[in-house]
Amino acid sequence: GENVEQHPSTLSVQEGDSAVIKCTYSDSASNYFPWYKQELGKRPQLIIDIRSNVGEKKDQRIAVTLNKTAKHFSLHITETQPEDSAVYFCAASKEMDSSYKLIFGSGTRLLVRP
Amino acid sequence: EAGVAQSPRYKIIEKRQSVAFWCNPISGHATLYWYQQILGQGPKLLIQFQNNGVVDDSQLPKDRFSAERLKGVDSTLKIQPAKLEDSAVYLCASSYTGGQTEAFFGQGTRLTVV
Repeated sequence: GENVEQHPSTLSVQEGDSAVIKCTYSDSASNYFPWYKQELGKRPQLIIDIRSNVGEKKDQRIAVTLNKTAKHFSLHITETQPEDSAVYFCAASKEMDSSYKLIFGSGTRLLVRP
Repeated sequence: EAGVAQSPRYKIIEKRQSVAFWCNPISGHATLYWYQQILGQGPKLLIQFQNNGVVDDSQLPKDRFSAERLKGVDSTLKIQPAKLEDSAVYLCASSYTGGQTEAFFGQGTRLTVV
């Protein structure tokens, strides 16, 4: 089955610096890759996603890149702010029996130091 | 639009007891997921429904866990008997077309087995 690996497990950056989180997936049939942010005690919420027909997508300070050949994708946060501190999860999805299975990575705890 | 509703928010039970969780997805969402999130880990897919049919339950410990989605709307997840290692947050999520569109999460049920 699909396996999604995420690195690093923890990341500490100075406010204003950039943060990069990387994920690899095992199933080459995966074609949808969302990223979720989970603040302490709250539900995961989608922050950005990318489909396999696109190599890069940006939304203000957040960008995601996808390398289908290498089967990895990354989340880039620029000009980090303290409110970016949270746990970030990547996920991969592929079609299965007319539906789509969504598998998550293990998460990256990002700490932005003021 | 109303979000994914889950209840209860918290539950404490003794090992070997049974427990049930309830989820009401966003109206019109055909896909419903149950995830188990152990502290410090990413959400692990337990079972995925497409309408009232099971798409994937390969990670569901079927000797003790069961789930149903009556009439393709609400869903219940049951554990009987519970073990200490079942302590986790149980997240319900729903999406319109499965993993290819945003999955919206409920607040989760935090289960503590003592």
